[in-house]
Amino acid sequence: EAQVTQNPRYLITVTGKKLTVTCSQNMNHEYMSWYRQDPGLGLRQIYYSMNVEVTDKGDVPEGYKVSRKEKRNFPLILESPSPNQTSLYFCASSEHLGAETQYFGPGTRLLVL
Amino acid sequence: QQPVQSPQAVILREGEDAVINCSSSKALYSVHWYRQKHGEAPVFLMILLKGGEQKGHEKISASFNEKKQQSSLYLTASQLSYSGTYFCGTGGDAGGTSYGKLTFGQGTILTVHP
Repeated sequence: EAQVTQNPRYLITVTGKKLTVTCSQNMNHEYMSWYRQDPGLGLRQIYYSMNVEVTDKGDVPEGYKVSRKEKRNFPLILESPSPNQTSLYFCASSEHLGAETQYFGPGTRLLVL
Repeated sequence: QQPVQSPQAVILREGEDAVINCSSSKALYSVHWYRQKHGEAPVFLMILLKGGEQKGHEKISASFNEKKQQSSLYLTASQLSYSGTYFCGTGGDAGGTSYGKLTFGQGTILTVHP
């Protein structure tokens, strides 16, 4: 089954404790992207990757890091989380950016205390 | 620059039609449309890549007016299952450095009542 998986689905952490949210897709997609969703602000892109070893900033990259060492994986790293990073995070992938179908992961709800 | 969606919310009875607009102050190169139901991930509806393009499946279609920097999503003969929040996303220039960047509108809440 074609899917994008994210782990963990829920996470409560404290300010400053490094964490990683994993994202994996099984469709051999080139394009992957991370978004955060906050009430009233809609979806905002954090980082995207056009292919392996090719990543670039979206609209809200501050406080986040990503890497794309393998095609299937695109982890999101919060080196020193702060309460303003409390949000719902989605990973997404598509064959390429202009592809006819894009897939979202189920989301990761993060609470930073 | 975030695209602007209008209206912010719309309430329909089953069978009624709706139009959701997505406007940008910058040139539009591609427009993506998504629907998100409460508590779920967004679901991709369609992508428009060329000015003048119209696309659709079943009773949901969209148009892309490159000159007006606007896209519209048309929902005809609405069903209860159409309820949710609709987002448009605008992509960068294929020949530019921000091609992979997607910027979303704030969303339009669509509610369909029996």
